[in-house]
Amino acid sequence: DVKVTQSSRYLVKRTGEKVFLECVQDMDHENMFWYRQDPGLGLRLIYFSYDVKMKEKGDIPEGYSVSREKKERFSLILESASTNQTSMYLCASSPERGARDEQYFGPGTRLTVT
Amino acid sequence: QKEVEQNSGPLSVPEGAIASLNCTYSDRGSQSFFWYRQYSGKSPELIMFIYSNGDKEDGRFTAQLNKASQYVSLLIRDSQPSDSATYLCALGGTYKYIFGTGTRLKVLA
Repeated sequence: DVKVTQSSRYLVKRTGEKVFLECVQDMDHENMFWYRQDPGLGLRLIYFSYDVKMKEKGDIPEGYSVSREKKERFSLILESASTNQTSMYLCASSPERGARDEQYFGPGTRLTVT
Repeated sequence: QKEVEQNSGPLSVPEGAIASLNCTYSDRGSQSFFWYRQYSGKSPELIMFIYSNGDKEDGRFTAQLNKASQYVSLLIRDSQPSDSATYLCALGGTYKYIFGTGTRLKVLA
């Protein structure tokens, strides 16, 4: 079974802090994604990566950056956390380059910025 | 027009009935279509994917795809209270996936 893990289930940070969210997948998948999910807005893509050291902006990249130094690990960085970044953050991976295959999601990190 | 549209619900069905969830999309070039189930506070889990026109069955679930009419649907037979969740429709683009906002299903015991 594909396993996608995220470093924290719940996180509380203060405004202005730098926040790191880690995601690891164990199935040698090419693609990795970061989404945030908010009530009524659905899943919104922040960044994605289809190869090591590659990154592409999604629909809402502002205020975020990412890092993919190893194939299995994709990190999301909030450079200076703000209250409007309070959300559920979901990491996902899929096997092959492109968006044809099914995605597998991690358990999510519920981030609260106070 | 949203790229993927779903009725937000809630869709309420009695236990044992067939639940029918629908999704329409705007991109005629989409090649892959997915249904995810998401329980409250949990992450989405894949139920089914479908690439070709027609029906695809897996246990109690049937996905139906009609590319000409640009819709994809999910049928859940013999609905159970444990099927109560939000169902997300997604389609695969060139490099990224596009999700609907989901339909909340309530199966009444």
